[in-house]
This record gives sequence, C-alpha cells and structure tokens, in this order.
Amino acid sequence: TQLLEQSPQFLSIQEGENLTVYCNSSSVFSSLQWYRQEPGEGPVLLVTVVTGGEVKKLKRLTFQFGDARKDSSLHITAAQPGDTGLYLCAGLDRGSTLGRLYFGRGTQLTVWP
Amino acid sequence: EPEVTQTPSHQVTQMGQEVILRCVPISNHLYFYWYRQILGQKVEFLVSFYNNEISEKSEIFDDQFSVERPDGSNFTLKIRSTKLEDSAMYFCASSEVSAPTPNQPQHFGDGTRLSIL
Repeated sequence: TQLLEQSPQFLSIQEGENLTVYCNSSSVFSSLQWYRQEPGEGPVLLVTVVTGGEVKKLKRLTFQFGDARKDSSLHITAAQPGDTGLYLCAGLDRGSTLGRLYFGRGTQLTVWP
Repeated sequence: EPEVTQTPSHQVTQMGQEVILRCVPISNHLYFYWYRQILGQKVEFLVSFYNNEISEKSEIFDDQFSVERPDGSNFTLKIRSTKLEDSAMYFCASSEVSAPTPNQPQHFGDGTRLSIL
C-alpha cells in the first residue's frame, strides 16, 4: 500500500492570504494529480504533474512535484472565498496496469471574506 | 463538457440485500474505475476495467463485488450481499487512455451514497 499524507488537515484563513498545502509519501509515483471536491460531489481534477521538479500554474494556484516524485505542494496566492473546498492529492501507482490512484485524506480549506 | 453520471445519487438497502450501482462513463472513454469513500476516510481504489475485463482490483474488492459493462454505455458495480461496512460513497471514474501514460486524467462522477441498514 502506498500512503499519501496531506497536511494540514484543516486550514482556515482570511481572504487575501497565501497558503500552501503539502502531499508527502515515501513512495515514488508515475504522476500526481490534484483534485478539488465539494460536498456531495465527486473529485474534480485540477492538474496532473508528471516530471520531477515540474511546476504548473493554474491562475492563482501553483503546483509543484518534488524532484524525487514522492511529494507535491499546492500554493494558493491571495485566497478567495471561492477557493473553499477539500483539496485532494492522488498518486498514480507506477506498478499499476490501468491507473490505480492512491488518495490522500485531503486538506479542508476555508477562506473567510 | 462531457461528464460521468452515476445513479442513483442515494441508495438505502437492507443488510444482506444485493445492490447495483450504475455509471455512464464519458462516451469516448475506454477505461473505467470504481472507488469508494467511507465517511471521514480516504478515497480508496476498488477496481479498474478495460475491454470487458477486470484489469486490477484491490483487497477490498472481494467475491461479493462484481463489475459489468452490460451495453455500450453503462458500467455497473454489484454488491451481492451487502454488509454494514459497505456503507460509503461510491465513485465511478473513466479515462480516455490509461497508465502507463502518466498524464492521463481520471474523471469522476458525483457518486452514489450507499447506506446499509
């Protein structure tokens, strides 16, 4: 079993602040996907990072994949109330034949106006 | 934008009964998955499916579980004799291409909440 640990588990901040959430593992993954999940809905893909050291930007969100492809971070600049949600990271198992994803427990972000 | 649809959104079933959860993957996708999420816990992989065969299954996916693609559009998960611990959100996902292409995304449905009484 490949474990992904996300931290912090909960994060509550004011609008306009910056934040970083982390996704760590002792395992190497083929890629790492970040999802956002709203209550009562399924995970919605935000980004996939593939190459060690890769950085991807999605508006105010910056995603980075660790050099060793074991960890990743999500940085949000100038957070807005619309960023509130559960952020999940999921690693793609290198040995999987058809794309088995291992999920972290998630970071519940609340941004107050 | 095309999406994965799941029905029903909520299923309540007596323990020991059979339940079938239904999914319609995105139409040009060929690879299908079921995951589950017990309340307060991580999303967990159950099974992957391609070309009318199970490709991979987790230790959770025991003999009580089965999957089927009965026609060109539906993908189902059957639990033969439900247990209390089967209560969870069940998510279906699909992808256009699969691993080892690492950049391919899995698109998730909104889930079926299964409650076993």
